[in-house]
Amino acid sequence: DIQMTQSPSSLSASVGDRVTITCRASQSITSYLSWIQQKPGRAPKLLIYAASRLESGVPSRFSASGSGTDFTLTISSLQPEDFATYYCQQSYNAPYTFGQGTKLEIK
Amino acid sequence: QVQLVESGGGVVQPGRSLRLSCAASGFSFSSYGMHWVRQAPGKGLEWVSVISNDANNENYVDSVKGRFTMSRDNSKNTLYLQMNSLTLEDTGVYYCAKDRFPYTNSHLGYYYGVDVWGQGTTVTVSS
Repeated sequence: DIQMTQSPSSLSASVGDRVTITCRASQSITSYLSWIQQKPGRAPKLLIYAASRLESGVPSRFSASGSGTDFTLTISSLQPEDFATYYCQQSYNAPYTFGQGTKLEIK
Repeated sequence: QVQLVESGGGVVQPGRSLRLSCAASGFSFSSYGMHWVRQAPGKGLEWVSVISNDANNENYVDSVKGRFTMSRDNSKNTLYLQMNSLTLEDTGVYYCAKDRFPYTNSHLGYYYGVDVWGQGTTVTVSS
């Protein structure tokens, strides 16, 4: 199975900050990576697919890059509604594993 | 709009069975592969299973193979997850989700993620 490792596991930041979350795959997954946001008690929401493509309706302050084994999600200027948990997921080989999550909290 | 609504969760004893359903609307259900993803209390997301758009192919995480069976009825726009021999580790919220793109053979890999998720249904396995 492909292991997905996110860092950091948690992050405290302020409104207006720029934050970056990283995701590393245990083997190359080319660009078969998604970034997903989840707020407490809510269903997950797709932010990014194909490693860098912004899902329709997602604010442009979200961006992502990477290929192969190393990927990043960047939020350029944090807004209050961005405080949530973020997951990466590989869709290269089953089982389609998720990272352990990065909890973004208000400082 | 595109919508997925799960149902069928509940409290069940270890070793018993439960069948989850996911009613789809707002898109061409028969064109999309579908997935189940679960989340244990206070834990992260875990992919469980996928079924092809034509219902002919499935794939499962090892921990549920031989116990869970995914199926779909394209005439009813409904997805199912039959869960047998449930264990305490199966407790959690179960989400259904659809492929981002149609006809992607996501059961084989090399697909670009899922874009719509249901609100989830809670399964509690407890004696």
